[in-house]
Amino acid sequence: AQSVTQPDIHITVSEGASLELRCNYSYGATPYLFWYVQSPGQGLQLLLKYFSGDTLVQGIKGFEAEFKRSQSSFNLRKPSVHWSDAAEYFCAVALFSGGYNKLIFGAGTRLAVHP
Amino acid sequence: GAVVSQHPSWVICKSGTSVKIECRSLDFQATTMFWYRQFPKQSLMLMATSNEGSKATYEQGVEKDKFLINHASLTLSTLTVTSAHPEDSSFYICSARDSFRGNEQFFGPGTRLTVL
Repeated sequence: AQSVTQPDIHITVSEGASLELRCNYSYGATPYLFWYVQSPGQGLQLLLKYFSGDTLVQGIKGFEAEFKRSQSSFNLRKPSVHWSDAAEYFCAVALFSGGYNKLIFGAGTRLAVHP
Repeated sequence: GAVVSQHPSWVICKSGTSVKIECRSLDFQATTMFWYRQFPKQSLMLMATSNEGSKATYEQGVEKDKFLINHASLTLSTLTVTSAHPEDSSFYICSARDSFRGNEQFFGPGTRLTVL
């Protein structure tokens, strides 16, 4: 069955430090992969997505992610974290079903940023 | 662009009553909308897929008679929690699919339901 695993429930980093959030997926075909960020009072916002092509994907807010098929991973990175990056981050894989893509989400990683 | 709203953002109701949650795509037409449920500190679980003008498709384990979904127009889908009980308390999130933007799903801010 398709699944998404985010091993880290909670991560704390210092402002200005680099960040890597891990995501592993289980999917039989070539996956469509996404990273979303959820802030209180706001809807999930798409940070970036991978469908095909270059395995290093650039997103908004300075985030990037790398698709590694051999490791079934799609880790999210940012070279320098800002205090405003504190939020919940979700990795998701799209399951094509019935003519559209259904999203299967990981459990999420809550990011805290220390000044 | 691609804004999705939900109303209400927060609702408290008594056990046994029904609650309706609205999901609107404000600046695009959405033939497909999705309803998710999110438990505290957990992930989003897809409840059902709503297609304009047709019956919703529910995920396994989701009670159709408990969670009524109506997608009467291209910009509005509603989720009605019928005969609500405390275990229905949760955060309900909708998303709308924009077929003109690569089928990307745009998410609403969510509705916090508390059943007393």
